[in-house]
Amino acid sequence: NAGVMQNPRHLVRRRGQEARLRCSPMKGHSHVYWYRQLPEEGLKFMVYLQKENIIDESGMPKERFSAEFPKEGPSILRIQQVVRGDSAAYFCASQSPAGTGGGEQYFGPGTRLTVT
Amino acid sequence: AQSVTQPDIHITVSEGASLELRCNYSYGATPYLFWYVQSPGQGLQLLLKYFSGDTLVQGIKGFEAEFKRSQSSFNLRKPSVHWSDAAEYFCAVGSGTYKYIFGTGTRLKVLA
Repeated sequence: NAGVMQNPRHLVRRRGQEARLRCSPMKGHSHVYWYRQLPEEGLKFMVYLQKENIIDESGMPKERFSAEFPKEGPSILRIQQVVRGDSAAYFCASQSPAGTGGGEQYFGPGTRLTVT
Repeated sequence: AQSVTQPDIHITVSEGASLELRCNYSYGATPYLFWYVQSPGQGLQLLLKYFSGDTLVQGIKGFEAEFKRSQSSFNLRKPSVHWSDAAEYFCAVGSGTYKYIFGTGTRLKVLA
């Protein structure tokens, strides 16, 4: 059973460009979380999605950031018009549906975004 | 407000020595508690978790943690550290299994 997959692992964007980060959850997992880790800091919750639904986006900046988890395909975190402050590691975690499995979140290897 | 505090930013121990990493939390209800380890450039790996029941939790790689409600703590321990344990360790608290709040991490250095 493959783990959580994220791509690309490293992404370099110039200021003003768009960044698209992809996350494929573990097989059978229908819940996806995105976290951001700034240098020398812990992970900060951004958004929680289930298939075709955004459950909680309270940690996501109001502008330029969006996330989706379509019925088919990976979850996408999209950052428009990137700025240097967006440089960080972005982690995706997946979780089995409530009442199944151990309930914990399994993390992907992350995408390290660098904005030049 | 919910929060997690890891008071030690850096810890250095000699190989073979015992280890304790501190974690304190602030949470209104009974928390779900986790310890994760992150090697440089890697993702997070779950070491152990506490949901309920026995307050002493055994994890992978010889780690254990003890939940102490009276002290709002969930400290991670290992009796004998190996050089491969050098990494960053994160404590997290969750409402059920949803929306974890992470501490800022403790970076462990192991001396040969």
